[in-house]
This record gives sequence, C-alpha cells and structure tokens, in this order.
Amino acid sequence: NAGVTQTPKFRVLKTGQSMTLLCAQDMNHEYMYWYRQDPGMGLRLIHYSVGEGTTAKGEVPDGYNVSRLKKQNFLLGLESAAPSQTSVYFCASSLQGASYEQYFGPGTRLTVT
Amino acid sequence: GIQVEQSPPDLILQEGANSTLRCNFSDSVNNLQWFHQNPWGQLINLFYIPSGTKQNGRLSATTVATERYSLLYISSSQTTDSGVYFCAGGGISGGSNYKLTFGKGTLLTVNP
Repeated sequence: NAGVTQTPKFRVLKTGQSMTLLCAQDMNHEYMYWYRQDPGMGLRLIHYSVGEGTTAKGEVPDGYNVSRLKKQNFLLGLESAAPSQTSVYFCASSLQGASYEQYFGPGTRLTVT
Repeated sequence: GIQVEQSPPDLILQEGANSTLRCNFSDSVNNLQWFHQNPWGQLINLFYIPSGTKQNGRLSATTVATERYSLLYISSSQTTDSGVYFCAGGGISGGSNYKLTFGKGTLLTVNP
C-alpha cells in the first residue's frame, strides 16, 4: 500500500514552459487536493476534487488547471509557468465520510527561473 | 473564510522538556487536524480531533470546540520531534468541512 505518491519529486522550469504534476493514491479515496507551500505561508489549497470527473477551485487557483479522469489520479497542470509558481506542491486525499482525514504525498519541489 | 492562528511561531527546547502548542480558529470547525512536517518535508498526520482529547504515546491533543481552540502537548521531547507542526481546520458553513485551512505552523527545534 503506497498511500499517496507524487511525480516528479523535483523539477526546474523556465518561465513560460508547461508541465503536469501527477498525484496517485491507492486508498480508494473519493476526495483529492492540491496544495502549495511557500515559506512562512503554511499550505494553501489550489484545487480539489470530490470525485472522479469533478474539480473545483480552492484558495489560490490562478495559473493552474486540474483533471480527475480516474478516481486514483489527480493531475495539476501549469500552462505557462511563472517565477511566482516556485513552490513545493503537495497532493492529499481523504475518504468521503465523517472525518475527511487527509493523507499527504511526499511533495514536488518546483523552481521556475 | 476561516482564519487559523498558531502560537508560538518558534520554539526551542532541550531534550526531555515538555511543550504546548496552540491553535485558534476564527470560526467554528468540525474538521480539525494536527500534522507534523519533518525536516525532510514529509507531512504526517498526528491527530484528527474536532473535539475532545486524544493521546498517542508522548503526544496528546485537546480541542475545545465551543471556544474555537486546540492544544497539542508534547511530553519528554526528543530530537526526532523537531520540525514544523501545523493545525488545520474545516468549517461547518457551506458544508465545506472537507476543505482544510492551515495555520502558518510552529517551528520546533529540540536540542540534544
């Protein structure tokens, strides 16, 4: 049982390039989330999904797109990367139900130059 | 949205000391979690505790939902306890308790 995995672990992009971050979970969780973590800011919610085929905006969605074509995968896309998107990105998942306890992946460190 | 305030922002302890971390919420929450981010960046669930008290080894947590705060207690601290401790809450309003708002964290350093 791998839990929540993220690919890649590190990435360097030039301004204007695009990329996709992949999150996968094997816990059969309905809910999935993408966060970014910046120094001194805690974690902020970018987008989330409450089930296969659904997505919704979080607190800081601008410049990002997401897709949830399969229940176990949640993709985060950057169409035209900007230096302000330099951050550590975390994916999380949770069961639908009473607790919604979230479990996190190991993170992806992205640098945009 | 909900505001989450954590205190203290930084804490330095000698190994063996006890500590209390606090989390205040601006509004009622019915989803409250504590996490530990280790020095390698991994976020680890400590407690899901929207109310009441829970204990897990040297760590325990108490949430007083009516007063909108939660406390994390670390007893007999060890160097492996170092890292950042986050609390996060999900609100009652709008049925959005599955979405967490995080505090800025408490950076704990335990010296040998």
